Amino acid sequence: SQKIEQNSEALNIQEGKTATLTCNYTNYSPAYLQWYRQDPGRGPVFLLLIRENEKEKRKERLKVTFDTTLKQSLFHITASQPADSATYLCALDAGGYQKVTFGTGTKLQVIP
Amino acid sequence: DTAVSQTPKYLVTQMGNDKSIKCEQNLGHDTMYWYKQDSKKFLKIMFSYNNKELIINETVPNRFSPKSPDKAHLNLHINSLELGDSAVYFCASSHDRAGEQYFGPGTRLTVT
Repeated sequence: SQKIEQNSEALNIQEGKTATLTCNYTNYSPAYLQWYRQDPGRGPVFLLLIRENEKEKRKERLKVTFDTTLKQSLFHITASQPADSATYLCALDAGGYQKVTFGTGTKLQVIP
Repeated sequence: DTAVSQTPKYLVTQMGNDKSIKCEQNLGHDTMYWYKQDSKKFLKIMFSYNNKELIINETVPNRFSPKSPDKAHLNLHINSLELGDSAVYFCASSHDRAGEQYFGPGTRLTVT
């Protein structure tokens, strides 16, 4: 069956360092992979989308990589700030009329 | 202007009651979704509509019935509420079937 795994444990990182979050999947051939941020008591907010034929995507301090051979995406936040503390969700989309499937999320805590 | 809005934000009700949650988006998007996020923060799709047509109907009890009166609205009606229905329900929309989704603030449903 399809499975999406994100770091199950919370990730604590010192302010200014680069945070790296992992999204691994099995039994899936996504056309797109998306990353969202969710703060407590709020809905997820879209951050980045990367297509299966793209290796890397950047947006300001954010960088996403997508390796369809390893079936893995890495999400990096450079120069992390306490305001980056949140839960980050990866989502896989096979395209067409198929559903988007979300991972369980990784809680990131940036320590001042 | 709120992009995706949901009402109510909180809903506390007793088992066996029937309740509705309303969702509206002012983004001009064609596709709308209902998600359920349980206590473990797992976000799971329930339904998706594209131009008022149901395109995704996950394994959801028949007690849940979505209704899309027009492209900008997607409501969720729940009959005979059960304790296990307690969760946060999110509405979302996207421009088309693929691409980033915009989420509402969520409706926290508590069934007692």
